[in-house]
Amino acid sequence: DGGITQSPKYLFRKEGQNVTLSCEQNLNHDAMYWYRQDPGQGLRLIYYSQIVNDFQKGDIAEGYSVSREKKESFPLTVTSAQKNPTAFYLCASSRDGPYNEQFFGPGTRLTVL
Amino acid sequence: AQSVAQPEDQVNVAEGNPLTVKCTYSVSGNPYLFWYVQYPNRGLQFLLKYITGDNLVKGSYGFEAEFNKSQTSFHLKKPSALVSDSALYFCARLGSGGYQKVTFGTGTKLQVIP
Repeated sequence: DGGITQSPKYLFRKEGQNVTLSCEQNLNHDAMYWYRQDPGQGLRLIYYSQIVNDFQKGDIAEGYSVSREKKESFPLTVTSAQKNPTAFYLCASSRDGPYNEQFFGPGTRLTVL
Repeated sequence: AQSVAQPEDQVNVAEGNPLTVKCTYSVSGNPYLFWYVQYPNRGLQFLLKYITGDNLVKGSYGFEAEFNKSQTSFHLKKPSALVSDSALYFCARLGSGGYQKVTFGTGTKLQVIP
């Protein structure tokens, strides 16, 4: 079955540690995205990538980093510089950029202890 | 800035009654609009979109939305609500420019009461 997988489902991190969230898709989509979801704030774009080896900052990129070495994979690293990292993180992909609807993964809930 | 607004944090409706979840958009550029649904602790699922053409858009699970240019609205509707429709609904808008970023509303929680 085609789709997007995110792992892990739940992640706990101590303050000061970096952590990497995985996102893999087998939909053959060119574009991939990372969003952060907080209660009452909708989804906010962290990073996006329209093609392999290229990515751009979204609205709230500070304290995050990404890579896009393969078409199928778009991992997100939450660094210790992110001041409030506890949130629900969603990865998405779409065909040919955002004109088309986005397909979302199941999400990773990150909690900083 | 091109944005969308969802004026209701929560909507309650009795099972079998029609439901409406409201969305308005700011007037600037072409309003390419989407609706997504999120079930508890899961990712979002696409419901429908308006790009151009017929103002009444039909989507998944019996949902439809009406694009109203004069009222700058794109309300989501369903003739008869099911308990399984209870979820968080997001309106979204495609921006303009070199990269057309999607901006999401803050979401409306729909509670269908048996």
